[in-house]
Amino acid sequence: QQQVKQSPQSLIVQKGGISIINCAYENTAFDYFPWYQQFPGKGPALLIAIRPDVSEKKEGRFTISFNKSAKQFSLHIMDSQPGDSATYFCAANTGGFKTIFGAGTRLFVKA
Amino acid sequence: ETGVTQSPTHLIKTRGQQVTLRCSSQSGHNTVSWYQQALGQGPQFIFQYYREEENGRGNFPPRFSGLQFPNYSSELNVNALELDDSALYLCASSLENTGELFFGEGSRLTVL
Repeated sequence: QQQVKQSPQSLIVQKGGISIINCAYENTAFDYFPWYQQFPGKGPALLIAIRPDVSEKKEGRFTISFNKSAKQFSLHIMDSQPGDSATYFCAANTGGFKTIFGAGTRLFVKA
Repeated sequence: ETGVTQSPTHLIKTRGQQVTLRCSSQSGHNTVSWYQQALGQGPQFIFQYYREEENGRGNFPPRFSGLQFPNYSSELNVNALELDDSALYLCASSLENTGELFFGEGSRLTVL
């Protein structure tokens, strides 16, 4: 019940295309759903986050879509760029405690 | 504003040894969490410290222990190292009751 399931494991997108990464959760007590971006040799960095009282949040080229009834959320990267090539993790927590991470998606954007 | 810093960045130990990893939290953050990230996997929650007390623990054995100091910096100690302890250990600081984690660059531990 504590798991966050993420797909796909890896993704190759052409420059300018849309990258879509999906996550599903079971624990309805989760109240914060962040996405983290990690480059090789670096720690994860918060990219964008959403709370379950909204269905969508957009920041620049990054959008989170949230479906509370289906217990799913997804990250959309519009106009994907080679600099977006990284590993992306979805995550969830309750009250700021014990963030649970998905297994990660390795994104490669072809120039 | 100073970010999260961790030391050492890399270290090699042999099985059975003990290791201490250190973390300085971001200025103003009073909560520190430690994560273990095996190669190709997501970070796994080890434990969290708030106001010098452990306030939650993941599925890790007691040989993983920690401390938080009055200045909110923290240590992770691992005793009786096993080969499977080889991983990137990440420290993250945050404000209490918020989910926004600020990670350091990690300490990569190799156990031979």
